[in-house]
Parts: sequence; C-alpha cells; structure tokens
Amino acid sequence: KAGVTQTPRYLIKTRGQQVTLSCSPISGHRSVSWYQQTPGQGLQFLFEYFSETQRNKGNFPGRFSGRQFSNSRSEMNVSTLELGDSALYLCASSLALGPAYEQYFGPGTRLTVT
Amino acid sequence: KQEVTQIPAALSVPEGENLVLNCSFTDSAIYNLQWFRQDPGKGLTSLLLIQSSQREQTSGRLNASLDKSSGRSTLYIAASQPGDSATYLCAVNTGGFKTIFGAGTRLFVKA
Repeated sequence: KAGVTQTPRYLIKTRGQQVTLSCSPISGHRSVSWYQQTPGQGLQFLFEYFSETQRNKGNFPGRFSGRQFSNSRSEMNVSTLELGDSALYLCASSLALGPAYEQYFGPGTRLTVT
Repeated sequence: KQEVTQIPAALSVPEGENLVLNCSFTDSAIYNLQWFRQDPGKGLTSLLLIQSSQREQTSGRLNASLDKSSGRSTLYIAASQPGDSATYLCAVNTGGFKTIFGAGTRLFVKA
C-alpha cells in the first residue's frame, strides 16, 4: 500500500506570494492533518480534516488555510508569504478521526520564502 | 497548556550500547503517546504508539513505556546500530485531538 505523498517536495517563493501544497493520504485513510516544522519552533499542529470538514485548528494566522476533497486528498494554502513561513510542511493521515488512530506522515514539502 | 520535553537534546553512543530516551509531559490527561523517528530533511516514521490505558509497547529492539501519573515516557533502544542515528520525537495526543510534539533527541551511534 502506498504511503502518504506530498507534492511538491520543494518550493521557493517570494515574500507576498501565495502557495498551495498537496497531500494524498494512504488509501482508505479519511483523516488528514497538517504540521509546520521549523528549527526554532519544532513541530506545530496546523489543522486537521475529516470528511471534507476542518475538525481542529492550531494557533496560526488566517493566512494559513486548507481543504479536503471527497477522495480525502487535502491541500493547504498560505497567502501573503512571509520569511518566517519558511519551513518543512508535513502532512499525516490516519484511518479516522480520533486519538485511537495512528498517524502516518508523508515526506514533507520544504518551502523556502525569499 | 500541555508541554512536552525531551531529554537529552542530543546523545552520542558507541555501536552496541543500550540507551534510553526520555519524554515528559505536563498534563497527564492524554489519549495516547507516540514515538517517531525523523531522518534529516525527511518526514516522520512512526515507531510505537501507546494508548493511555497501556503501560508499554515493544517492536523489535525498541520498547516504549508510559507512566501517565508521573507524566513520563521512555524509549529504550537495545543494541544500538549506526542506522539508528536520527532524531527521535515523542508526541502526545490531548483533548481536541491535537498532537503536541517534543523538540526531539538527536541520536548519533558511532561505528
């Protein structure tokens, strides 16, 4: 069974631009979560989607948004990019919503904002 | 507010040594705790998941324990190998299904 895939793997953007990252969960998984990882802040939870609805959200500004499609694939969007948005963005999928379900992570998208 | 701390931040050991990584959390009201491995520039690989009702989980050379009352978990790695070199992260799942990660322990196993 294929793992979680994220595209693109690397991105370079300029301040003020917007970016869209994509995540395809493991087949059969219906919950998708997004995380931001930086050297200074570590891994921080962004949001979680299940059945095309955002179920939980971390402490990030409204410039960070996401959505989930009917096939469980998810996208996250960052508008008006800032230098501090440079990070590794990780997506994780699980069978369903809830702590009983193990999370499986993708390889991440490395975003560099110049 | 839940906080997760991992000690030590970095560890260097010779090949073959048994070692223990520590994780502590401030709020014992957790649903589960998960240990991950992360190789440089890569995503996370799940190693072990311990539900709140469990005390330990084992997978091969890895053993993780959970003591909710004291807010601690340990990851025991037996007979370490150079291929074990990576950053090890622990994460707790709290109410609201949020996952809080520790900063990680960077492990170097010297051949």
